[in-house]
Parts: sequence; C-alpha cells; structure tokens
Amino acid sequence: GAVVSQHPSRVICKSGTSVKIECRSLDFQATTMFWYRQFPKKSLMLMATSNEGSKATYEQGVEKDKFLINHASLTLSTLTVTSAHPEDSSFYICSARDLGVMGQPQHFGDGTRLSIL
Amino acid sequence: AQSVTQLGSHVSVSEGALVLLRCNYSSSVPPYLFWYVQYPNQGLQLLLKYTSAATLVKGINGFEAEFKKSETSFHLTKPSAHMSDAAEYFCAVSGSNDYKLSFGAGTTVTVRA
Repeated sequence: GAVVSQHPSRVICKSGTSVKIECRSLDFQATTMFWYRQFPKKSLMLMATSNEGSKATYEQGVEKDKFLINHASLTLSTLTVTSAHPEDSSFYICSARDLGVMGQPQHFGDGTRLSIL
Repeated sequence: AQSVTQLGSHVSVSEGALVLLRCNYSSSVPPYLFWYVQYPNQGLQLLLKYTSAATLVKGINGFEAEFKKSETSFHLTKPSAHMSDAAEYFCAVSGSNDYKLSFGAGTTVTVRA
C-alpha cells in the first residue's frame, strides 16, 4: 500500500529554535500534501495544503511566516516551524494525496511530536 | 462544504462483541467518505473508503461500512472485536471537487477482555 514517511518522529528543542519536519511519499507521486496539527485528545486540524511547485495554501488563523512549507518535488514536502515557542508544542502529521486511486485518499505519516522547552 | 459528526466519543466493547461506530455526514456534493484508525503516538491508517462504487465497503482488519444516502450515514462495524482494535477512529469526508478532508471529532474504542 501507499506509504508516507515522516521524519523526525520526535523533537525536543529550546525556545527560539527552528525545526524542520520532512514528509515523503515513498511509492507514489504526490502533487498535493497536507499538514495537520493535533492537540491531545482532539481531532486533526488542517494547517495548510502543500502544492508541488507553487505556494502553500494556509488555513485561516495559521501564520504562514511561522510555519514555512516547501514542496520542491513530487515526493517531498517540508514544514519548518520558525522560532518555535512552547505554545508550538504539538503533534504534527502530514499526509499525501494519492491521485492514482479513486477518491484520492490521503495517506498519513506517523507524525512528529514537537516539544519546545 | 462538507462535515461529519461522530456520535459517541467513547465506545467500550467486550472482546468478541460487535463494534459499531456511528458517523453522519453533511455534503453539498456527492461525498467521498473515509474511516481512519489512529494508534497512540502514530499517524492515521486508512481503514476503508466510499467512492460511490458500492454502498457496502469492506476494509482492512475485518471492518466494513455501509453508505446510506437516505440517512446520510456511514457507520463502521466489525462483527467481533479484538484487543488490537483498541484505538482512536476518525470518520472523514471530502468532496469530489475539493479533496480536503473534514474530520469528525473521533471515537475512542476500548476493548474489555
């Protein structure tokens, strides 16, 4: 089946640090990837849609200068949390849309647990 | 716009008993519907999807779901629960012209021995 790899799985760093998270589709091409944030015991909140070769589309209330997204190839999207602060601590999950399958389901990475001290 | 409502934030079943998770959708266009499962500290795994090909959809791990347009429902079932089914389950909907997913609030399943 379709596999999405997300790295790193866990990051602990000091306040003010920038953190980059990678999302790769391993066995299919993904022109569109998505970045979500999940709070404890909560559902997923869509942050942005990452489009290969063009600018990301951010959801209302998400700071694009804070959460930088780059989608430079058909299999890789990155999310950089710039100047991270404790309130940015969360579980971040990416997904990739599989265009070759009816319904174009999204396949998810295993998430990144970000802890800012 | 599309949305889903999952009825029941927590379901507890005995091992071997029927698992029933409820999901109702709202969509202005023919929807695509999905059920995902999430184990602790992991991403989401696709269980099954409805794309209008058949109303009864079979997925992985013995799960199935039935699309009922008249009831705007897409409930997930499994005849016999296993301890490994303990997880968080999310129903999601997308439109055929916009593939963004709208998730339900999730249902936590616990399985009693």
